[in-house]
Amino acid sequence: ELKVEQNPLFLSMQEGKNYTIYCNYSTTSDRLYWYRQDPGKSLESLFVLLSNGAVKQEGRLMASLDTKARLSTLHITAAVHDLSATYFCAVDFGNEKLTFGTGTRLTIIP
Amino acid sequence: DADVTQTPRNRITKTGKRIMLECSQTKGHDRMYWYRQDPGLGLRLIYYSFDVKDINKGEISDGYSVSRQAQAKFSLSLESAIPNQTALYFCATSDLHSGNTIYFGEGSWLTVV
Repeated sequence: ELKVEQNPLFLSMQEGKNYTIYCNYSTTSDRLYWYRQDPGKSLESLFVLLSNGAVKQEGRLMASLDTKARLSTLHITAAVHDLSATYFCAVDFGNEKLTFGTGTRLTIIP
Repeated sequence: DADVTQTPRNRITKTGKRIMLECSQTKGHDRMYWYRQDPGLGLRLIYYSFDVKDINKGEISDGYSVSRQAQAKFSLSLESAIPNQTALYFCATSDLHSGNTIYFGEGSWLTVV
């Protein structure tokens, strides 16, 4: 079964702190995506990771992919309120369509 | 203007009614998708199409049908809507030349009463 699991599902963190969201998936893939969604809005593409060891950074967010461990991480550095959103990882298991995790709802507290 | 446009954005319909959600894109992508989002369940794939003559069932296709009228248009129909089809529906597009990124529309809120 093709499964994508994220944890934690909910995360409240203080401004200025660092934290990591984890995305595990069930079988081989070397294509993983991170999206951001604000309440009631569409999904915004953050990162596309296409190979083992891939690391991408944009502002306070950094994503990495370990295909051997079937694990991706989204690291948040020195969180600010504007990062409050729901973050999804999604995996292409080689069939040209995405399987999504359940999302992590991130709330940044002043 | 959005590259992936969905209509309607919001719709309330009655149980048993037929409803169509339309999607059009200006990105020139070959691949189009319909996803459904429910709270706590992420997004689940309903149908997808890799070109005009190609239609494929996704994870949760029962109760839905689709039509790929042109490269730029992909519509989703609920032939006889039921309350558990109340959800947020997203259309999305991609192609091999878009850097493997999938682009989403703004979403269509459907409530079945």
